[in-house]
Amino acid sequence: QVQLQESGPGLVKPSETLSLTCSVSGGSVSSGSYYWSWIRQPPGKGLEWIGYISKSGSTNSNPSLKNRVTLSLDTSKSQFSLRLSSVTAADTAVYFCARSPPATVTTWDYWGQGTLVTVSS
Amino acid sequence: EIVMTQSPATLSVSPGERATLSCRASQSVSSSLAWYQQKPGQAPRLLIYGASTRATGIPARFSGSGSGTEFTLTISSLQSEDFAVYYCQQYNNWPPLTFGGGTKVEIK
Repeated sequence: QVQLQESGPGLVKPSETLSLTCSVSGGSVSSGSYYWSWIRQPPGKGLEWIGYISKSGSTNSNPSLKNRVTLSLDTSKSQFSLRLSSVTAADTAVYFCARSPPATVTTWDYWGQGTLVTVSS
Repeated sequence: EIVMTQSPATLSVSPGERATLSCRASQSVSSSLAWYQQKPGQAPRLLIYGASTRATGIPARFSGSGSGTEFTLTISSLQSEDFAVYYCQQYNNWPPLTFGGGTKVEIK
């Protein structure tokens, strides 16, 4: 059973870069035909797709965030990461990492528990 | 960007009753529509994809229907564990992948 776990600072200052890592256990980020994604949810609000990375390192992200998003993969550690630059209070959210079903990139069947990141000085 | 609109925002239902949730897309998404359930403090859970196919392990009381711009999630007989927020998500025209604003199903 694959498990995902987000980690990273819970507090980030405005204009700085948010960095989160998702650790994958029970499977590898480099095996199979899976895609690895980030989705966020501002407190009390709905879900917003951030982007995905494949095992080959190809990425795609939400155009509304594209210039600020960097996605990367560390196969040796079975981890993938999100960096979001120039953050503002609007980036305060619970950040989820998730895995797509095989050969699918557009839905998610395994999720991490989520981690709250607050942007505040 | 395709905008997904869910209604109602809140649905009050008694246990054992049927719940019908709606999702509308701003343009056709064909059958590229998924439904998720989210309980407080938890990650979303995939219920339905392809508008009507249940994900692995999802009980038969959950069913999805629709195509184009109008979709429905039906829970045939609400159980206590079904009270949650439900989100629809389109994946026909992306990026971006987009979600509806959610419908909260609460106990009447």
